[in-house]
Amino acid sequence: DTAVSQTPKYLVTQMGNDKSIKCEQNLGHDTMYWYKQDSKKFLKIMFSYNNKELIINETVPNRFSPKSPDKAHLNLHINSLELGDSAVYFCASSQETGRGNYGYTFGSGTRLTVV
Amino acid sequence: GQSLEQPSEVTAVEGAIVQINCTYQTSGFYGLSWYQQHDGGAPTFLSYNALDGLEETGRFSSFLSRSDSYGYLLLQELQMKDSASYFCALPGSTLTFGKGTMLLVSP
Repeated sequence: DTAVSQTPKYLVTQMGNDKSIKCEQNLGHDTMYWYKQDSKKFLKIMFSYNNKELIINETVPNRFSPKSPDKAHLNLHINSLELGDSAVYFCASSQETGRGNYGYTFGSGTRLTVV
Repeated sequence: GQSLEQPSEVTAVEGAIVQINCTYQTSGFYGLSWYQQHDGGAPTFLSYNALDGLEETGRFSSFLSRSDSYGYLLLQELQMKDSASYFCALPGSTLTFGKGTMLLVSP
């Protein structure tokens, strides 16, 4: 199936730990993204990668780092996890940078709970 | 910067028609998109308007007025499965979302 897949779906971890979320897309899209959805369902862009280059880095803590080994993968590493990092993290991809009629395809999300 | 405003919640009954409004502010306009998200699910792309007017896709339609910085999503013949959150969004260098409208459809 063509899709954006991310793992794990659920992640429960203790404060201070380091964790990674993996994302892969087989749609042949040019750009991949990480979004954070908080408890109020607000979707906020975290990172965007185009052809393995970071093109937007919003004001997220530097504990968060995206890593893209190739065009089809964009992983998210989080160091020294804090309680406030608890949220649902979505990976997404699009054919271009989002301008125009190129809808984003989202992964199923990773629910991160920091205890 | 970009910002979007939409109602936080809308309720309706099965078979009815509901309209979810969205007003936006942006310095560069590339169109207005709509996404649907069921509880526990991923946002899914519904529609996109770049020009003024109504775009129809089955039971869903989306409208845009660029002069008013306003758009809406129209859902007809509501079904229980339409209960979800609906987001308007501005494409640009990335996609900026509104805070979402929770639609509750009752029998």
